[in-house]
Amino acid sequence: GAVVSQHPSRVICKSGTSVKIECRSLDFQATTMFWYRQFPKQSLMLMATSNEGSKATYEQGVEKDKFLINHASLTLSTLTVTSAHPEDSSFYICSAVRQGRGSGELFFGEGSRLTVL
Amino acid sequence: GDSVTQMEGPVTLSEEAFLTINCTYTATGYPSLFWYVQYPGEGLQLLLKATKADDKGSNKGFEATYRKETTSFHLEKGSVQVSDSAVYFCALSPTGNQFYFGTGTSLTVIP
Repeated sequence: GAVVSQHPSRVICKSGTSVKIECRSLDFQATTMFWYRQFPKQSLMLMATSNEGSKATYEQGVEKDKFLINHASLTLSTLTVTSAHPEDSSFYICSAVRQGRGSGELFFGEGSRLTVL
Repeated sequence: GDSVTQMEGPVTLSEEAFLTINCTYTATGYPSLFWYVQYPGEGLQLLLKATKADDKGSNKGFEATYRKETTSFHLEKGSVQVSDSAVYFCALSPTGNQFYFGTGTSLTVIP
């Protein structure tokens, strides 16, 4: 089946540094990918929609200068958390849409746990 | 707008109990409906889906039927196992490029 791979799975960084998380669709091309942030009580918060070859669409309240998204190819989207602070510590999850006959299907990466010290 | 409402958890069941997690949706048109499962420390995985009314999605003993008349897609399993402990998300997609998720329902199955 379709696989979406996310890397790194865990990252610890110092406050003020930037962290890049990669999301790859391994066996299909994805013109659309999504980035989510998951809070401790399990709910998924959609951060942005990443479209290949164009600027990402950010949800209300998400700082686009802090969470840089680049979807440079049909199989890769990256999320860069710039100047990370402890409040950015979270579980970040990407997903990619595989288009099929009449409908799309969403496949998720394994998630990336970011801890900012 | 389109949205999904699922029952709040957490849900705790004994092994071999019957499971129902309710999910209702609001949408114009005919969306596709999904159930995703998230095991501890992992990303979400597609559990099952249905793309049109009266379709039944099934996988790993779980089932859900797309009911347009009640706008529901309840998840059921006849006999849960400890390994089913996870968070379950109901979702809909009206276009194939947009997806709306419920808040998730945490299930714990005790031996």
